[in-house]
Amino acid sequence: GAGVSQSPSNKVTEKGKDVELRCDPISGHTALYWYRQSLGQGLEFLIYFQGNSAPDKSGLPSDRFSAERTGGSVSTLTIQRTQQEDSAVYLCASSPRDSYNSPLHFGNGTRLTVT
Amino acid sequence: GIQVEQSPPDLILQEGANSTLRCNFSDSVNNLQWFHQNPWGQLINLFYIPSGTKQNGRLSATTVATERYSLLYISSSQTTDSGVYFCAVQGYSGAGSYQLTFGKGTKLSVIP
Repeated sequence: GAGVSQSPSNKVTEKGKDVELRCDPISGHTALYWYRQSLGQGLEFLIYFQGNSAPDKSGLPSDRFSAERTGGSVSTLTIQRTQQEDSAVYLCASSPRDSYNSPLHFGNGTRLTVT
Repeated sequence: GIQVEQSPPDLILQEGANSTLRCNFSDSVNNLQWFHQNPWGQLINLFYIPSGTKQNGRLSATTVATERYSLLYISSSQTTDSGVYFCAVQGYSGAGSYQLTFGKGTKLSVIP
């Protein structure tokens, strides 16, 4: 079956512009995570969705970042007024439930470059 | 939050050699997973292993949760094993949900 799908795969934007990154999780997966990975670094947690529960937004670095998940499936990560330090690979992952007792499956990421 | 330390940070192996990667974590965890990130950036889940030992081909992993560490063994390494190996652990965030906290990784280079 299809894996986690992210789009676009690459995005170049000018400083100050808004961007939207999309994630299609594996069908039936109720848990969805966003992480970002700066060049040569580990993964930084951003936000977590589980079913209809309130999302865990504790990892969002500033109020310029927001995310939503419509219908319990597709998720969009929005970055407003992008800054150069936002340049990174943004990774989405899903799992069948809250990932306690289940492995995470990652998409291939969106590489964001802010010029 | 939980701290995750991986060692060594870098490792160079001759093809065919064996290696052990270590992951230490600072608190009790509900879950532990090992991932391989290939040179193209794709992250692949290797093991879901909150405790005990698992094996998958040339790879095996052992987690001793009571002593807060996990080991990933790679035997008869191949050039395709190159990449970064991440350990990720899971506990309760302040909001009561389930973050997966990643270590900084071990970068493995297998040379022919």
